[in-house]
Amino acid sequence: AQSVTQLGSHVSVSEGALVLLRCNYSSSVPPYLFWYVQYPNQGLQLLLKYTSAATLVKGINGFEAEFKKSETSFHLTKPSAHMSDAAEYFCAVTLNQGGKLIFGQGTELSVKP
Amino acid sequence: GAGVSQSPSNKVTEKGKDVELRCDPISGHTALYWYRQSLGQGLEFLIYFQGNSAPDKSGLPSDRFSAERTGGSVSTLTIQRTQQEDSAVYLCASSSLWDIPQGHTFGSGTRLTVV
Repeated sequence: AQSVTQLGSHVSVSEGALVLLRCNYSSSVPPYLFWYVQYPNQGLQLLLKYTSAATLVKGINGFEAEFKKSETSFHLTKPSAHMSDAAEYFCAVTLNQGGKLIFGQGTELSVKP
Repeated sequence: GAGVSQSPSNKVTEKGKDVELRCDPISGHTALYWYRQSLGQGLEFLIYFQGNSAPDKSGLPSDRFSAERTGGSVSTLTIQRTQQEDSAVYLCASSSLWDIPQGHTFGSGTRLTVV
């Protein structure tokens, strides 16, 4: 069975600091992995996806994530946080192209001025 | 359409009433999904449509919940005899089935409040 664990329900960083949001997955076969962002009262927006091509994936708004099979991780990073990055971030996994997404519990990112 | 459209955006209903939530996916997307987002449970999968059929409805929490999709397009999620625990944001998403997974495109959701 697939599962996703996001370490830390809330992360706070200063503006300009590194953002690191952690995601570990459990899957018996190579998964497809995604990061979504949700701003208040909005739906989810796809940030980036891993689909077995390059292990370092670049997404929108300066975010990137690295797939590490040995660590079963897909952590999300951004070198320098902006105030506009404050939102909730969800890591998700699926095994196939038609399949449902299994989401982590989400990490709320706060950015301090 | 250009995006996934959900209606209504907000719905307040009395306990025991039936509600219908509508989702209009991106034109040409054959796969459609319903999820529920609530404070205690996070994001939960409800049901998945491929065309008009539902190969996976494993996430529907009870037989009060049902969904249909017609013409390979619009989908309706119906909750009968609503209960307070049904209060949540119901999110619809669609995706193009035959590509390498592109991830879902989500609508803005319907916020359901049962009073």
